[in-house]
Amino acid sequence: EIVLTQSPATLSLSPGERATLSCGASQSVSSSYLAWYQQKPGLAPRLLIYDASSRATGIPDRFSGSGSGTDFTLTISRLEPEDFAVYYCQQYGSSPGTFGQGTKLEIK
Amino acid sequence: QVQLVQSGAEVKKPGSSVKVSCKASGGTFSSYAISWVRQAPGQGLEWMGGIIPIFGTANYAQKFQGRVTITADESTSTAYMELSSLRSEDTAVYYCARAGGSGSYVRYPLTDWGQGTLVTVSS
Repeated sequence: EIVLTQSPATLSLSPGERATLSCGASQSVSSSYLAWYQQKPGLAPRLLIYDASSRATGIPDRFSGSGSGTDFTLTISRLEPEDFAVYYCQQYGSSPGTFGQGTKLEIK
Repeated sequence: QVQLVQSGAEVKKPGSSVKVSCKASGGTFSSYAISWVRQAPGQGLEWMGGIIPIFGTANYAQKFQGRVTITADESTSTAYMELSSLRSEDTAVYYCARAGGSGSYVRYPLTDWGQGTLVTVSS
């Protein structure tokens, strides 16, 4: 199975700053079938980005995804207070669809 | 957009089994893969397996093979996940989630999620 490694584990930033989260795959992700999810405490994950760079319905354009092959990035251009959460990447190009271990985005 | 509503929290003894349900409403059920994902306290997300109801056969992560059974009832638009031989390490929130496209576990992200069901395994 494909192993996804996210970095950093924790990212401390202030509102208004730019956040860059990384996701590396142990082998190439088929057709860039990579998603990013946001999870807040006590809630289910929410899909933000799919197919590496497409925003899900209702997701603000400050969220963007990029990458292909084994290296992917989630960028939040200007952090809002509600963006502080845990972010997971997931590949769904091959079964099982594996998740990264998560990046916690916390307020500095 | 489909809504997934899961059954309530459970407390189980080690060695027993638990069955969690996931009822879908507001969208097509039969041709979309339903996956089960679990999250241990303070930990990340782990895909356990899934089913495409119209096909009937489930697909399981190797880690859970032999201990998990995923089924679906098309007549009630409900999917089920049963985990047996429970141990303390199975204490987690269990989520069902639906794929964003029909007919496959791959090629589609998980677009709709249930609210989660906390399963606590304790003697």
